[in-house]
Amino acid sequence: AQSVAQPEDQVNVAEGNPLTVKCTYSVSGNPYLFWYVQYPNRGLQFLLKYITGDNLVKGSYGFEAEFNKSQTSFHLKKPSALVSDSALYFCAVRDVFYNQGGKLIFGQGTELSVKP
Amino acid sequence: SAVISQKPSRDICQRGTSLTIQCQVDSQVTMMFWYRQQPGQSLTLIATANQGSEATYESGFVIDKFPISRPNLTFSTLTVSNMSPEDSSIYLCSVERKSEDLSTDTQYFGPGTRLTVL
Repeated sequence: AQSVAQPEDQVNVAEGNPLTVKCTYSVSGNPYLFWYVQYPNRGLQFLLKYITGDNLVKGSYGFEAEFNKSQTSFHLKKPSALVSDSALYFCAVRDVFYNQGGKLIFGQGTELSVKP
Repeated sequence: SAVISQKPSRDICQRGTSLTIQCQVDSQVTMMFWYRQQPGQSLTLIATANQGSEATYESGFVIDKFPISRPNLTFSTLTVSNMSPEDSSIYLCSVERKSEDLSTDTQYFGPGTRLTVL
């Protein structure tokens, strides 16, 4: 079975400091990995994805993620955090065995809090 | 990306009643997806809706409780029937779009419908 895990319920960083939100995955075959962000009272917004190629993926709002096959990780990073980055972040993997296509399996989410 | 709207954005309903949630997309899509996000939880897929065929439900979800319509390629509805407080959740619809380089599909989500059942 395919799954993703986000080991931290909450991450606290100071504005201007680098941030990392962790994600590990378990898949059969090549992983299709995604990061989404959910601001309060809003839907999910797509940040970035890894399908193949360069292990460092750049996405929206200055975020990037590093795919590490040996560690089965896909951590989300940003060099300098902003207070406006405070939100709920979800890692997801595409279920390639789902015959309807498109099913995403989500991690439990990580609440990011950036303090001034 | 995709422009997806949902109605209502939120509602408070009484136990035993039903609520129909609408999802409208700005262009035609083959598949639409309905997810549930219970309070403090992650997202779980309820069903996949293809135009012109019956929706496909995930384990733990049944058509009698969550009937879905997909009358055309830009619209879908999800009904939450005979509601109980356990149905209090955010319900989100989503669609897939090809990436700009056509290498893969990316799923985009609507703003969600926040349902509270008393």
